Amino acid sequence: AQSVTQPDIHITVSEGASLELRCNYSYGATPYLFWYVQSPGQGLQLLLKYFSGDTLVQGIKGFEAEFKRSQSSFNLRKPSVHWSDAAEYFCAVVVIQGAQKLVFGQGTRLTINP
Amino acid sequence: SQTIHQWPATLVQPVGSPLSLECTVEGTSNPNLYWYRQAAGRGLQLLFYSVGIGQISSEVPQNLSASRPQDRQFILSSKKLLLSDSGFYLCAWSVGQTYGYTFGSGTRLTVV
Repeated sequence: AQSVTQPDIHITVSEGASLELRCNYSYGATPYLFWYVQSPGQGLQLLLKYFSGDTLVQGIKGFEAEFKRSQSSFNLRKPSVHWSDAAEYFCAVVVIQGAQKLVFGQGTRLTINP
Repeated sequence: SQTIHQWPATLVQPVGSPLSLECTVEGTSNPNLYWYRQAAGRGLQLLFYSVGIGQISSEVPQNLSASRPQDRQFILSSKKLLLSDSGFYLCAWSVGQTYGYTFGSGTRLTVV
């Protein structure tokens, strides 16, 4: 079955430090991959997406993600985090089973230490 | 412009009461529509999706149902709420093969 795994439930980093959030997918075809962010009590905001082409994808708020087919990964990175980056981050993959569906990982909660 | 409306934003309901959450989309036609639930401390689980009026697919067995009476309207319902129905419910839409998903602002449901 197609799925998305985010191995880290909770990550804490200091403000100004670099960040990498891990995402592994399981999908037989070329995956369509997304990263979303959810601030407390809010809906989802799209950070970036990968469909094809350049495997390094730039997103909003200074985030980027790299698609690595050999590792089935799509990790999210930011060189220097800000306190406002504290949120829940979700990796997702489009699954086509009769209809297209967006399947999410369990999410990684990011805490920023001052 | 394309927008998605979801209401109410918050809801507190007693166990055993009915539920109706509504989602409407503007600025597009024949969207794919989705209901997701996020339970406390858990990820986003796809509950239902719809590719057209009256066409509903359920992803997980549960106490909830969905309906699509109009092209751009998606309703999540329950006849009798359970405590386990508490959570954050998100509606989303996409169009065709664009793989662009837009999410509503969500409804936080607390069943007491």
